[in-house]
Amino acid sequence: KNQVEQSPQSLIILEGKNCTLQCNYTVSPFSNLRWYKQDTGRGPVSLTIMTFSENTKSNGRYTATLDADTKQSSLHITASQLSDSASYICVVLSNSGYALNFGKGTSLLVTP
Amino acid sequence: NAGVTQTPKFQVLKTGQSMTLQCAQDMNHEYMSWYRQDPGMGLRLIHYSVGAGITDQGEVPNGYNVSRSTTEDFPLRLLSAAPSQTSVYFCATTRGSVGELFFGEGSRLTVL
Repeated sequence: KNQVEQSPQSLIILEGKNCTLQCNYTVSPFSNLRWYKQDTGRGPVSLTIMTFSENTKSNGRYTATLDADTKQSSLHITASQLSDSASYICVVLSNSGYALNFGKGTSLLVTP
Repeated sequence: NAGVTQTPKFQVLKTGQSMTLQCAQDMNHEYMSWYRQDPGMGLRLIHYSVGAGITDQGEVPNGYNVSRSTTEDFPLRLLSAAPSQTSVYFCATTRGSVGELFFGEGSRLTVL
């Protein structure tokens, strides 16, 4: 069964610190991997989409990495801000039909 | 350019009642989909559509109906609401099967 596992489940960091969120998947065949940010009470918003050939992709202070061989991805947040407090969702698209596989998300709280 | 618009944002129903969640997009995307999000679980696909007149079931379709008469609209119908359908519902669109997902702001439904 295709699965997407995210860790940690929740994380608390001080403003200005860096953090890394993990995503491991067993989805096959692989098409692309996405990271979404979901603010409380809002819909998810795309941060990055990475294909098989992309190892690193940045979006401002967010940097995603992908190791397609080990089926692992990470999302690194640099110099965190209070507005980074949100749930971060890893999503893996399979080439087999329209099959998006969602992780349960990592809840990040940035405190002053 | 509103993107994806969902109505209503909040709704309370009694068991057995029916209702329709509305979703409209102005992005001219072919793909539209409905998800539900429950605490501790990832987003789960209810139904999706690859174009006007074409719909298909997702992971959790029971108790829900959809139709796609136009490119812009993709309503989700609850035929006879049950407490298990208490959830937050998200509509999403994408240009193609591998493209970026754009989500609406969500509709929070409570079934008593």
